[in-house]
Amino acid sequence: AQSVSQHNHHVILSEAASLELGCNYSYGGTVNLFWYVQYPGQHLQLLLKYFSGDPLVKGIKGFEAEFIKSKFSFNLRKPSVQWSDTAEYFCAPKKVTQAGTALIFGKGTTLSVSS
Amino acid sequence: SAVISQKPSRDICQRGTSLTIQCQVDSQVTMMFWYRQQPGQSLTLIATANQGSEATYESGFVIDKFPISRPNLTFSTLTVSNLSPEDSSIYLCSAEQEGLPEAFFGQGTRLTVV
Repeated sequence: AQSVSQHNHHVILSEAASLELGCNYSYGGTVNLFWYVQYPGQHLQLLLKYFSGDPLVKGIKGFEAEFIKSKFSFNLRKPSVQWSDTAEYFCAPKKVTQAGTALIFGKGTTLSVSS
Repeated sequence: SAVISQKPSRDICQRGTSLTIQCQVDSQVTMMFWYRQQPGQSLTLIATANQGSEATYESGFVIDKFPISRPNLTFSTLTVSNLSPEDSSIYLCSAEQEGLPEAFFGQGTRLTVV
């Protein structure tokens, strides 16, 4: 079965620390990979996506992610976090469904940044 | 990007009753999806709502429990039937626009069954 695994459940950092959140998916073939973020009280928003081409993709607010095909990984990084990055982060590859394709979600990582 | 509105944003329902959640998109979309997020869990895909045909359900979800309508390209409803406390979750509507790979999400409906 197609699945996704996020390594960290809760990460606590101080402002200006570097961030890396791990994500692994279980299947090969064509992959479309996404990271979504949910700020407190807000809806899920797209952070960045990988579709093809350069495996290092940049998203909003200084986030980036690297697709490593050989490791089935799509880790999210940010060199220096801010208090406003406090949120829940979801890795979400697309999977093939009976109706086409749809996102499947990891369990999410709660990031808490202290000022 | 599409803006998705869900109604209601939250509800408390008695067991044995049903709740219908509405999802309205501000532009035409190709695919619409319904997800469930149980407490402490990730999002799980319930079904894909196809315009003009029956929804396609994921393993573990059935039409009798989660009937879905999609009468046009901007609107869908999810009904959670015969409610039990185990149905207490956040239900999210999602949509994809033609030509864009990413999905957009509504703010969710928080359902509590008592």
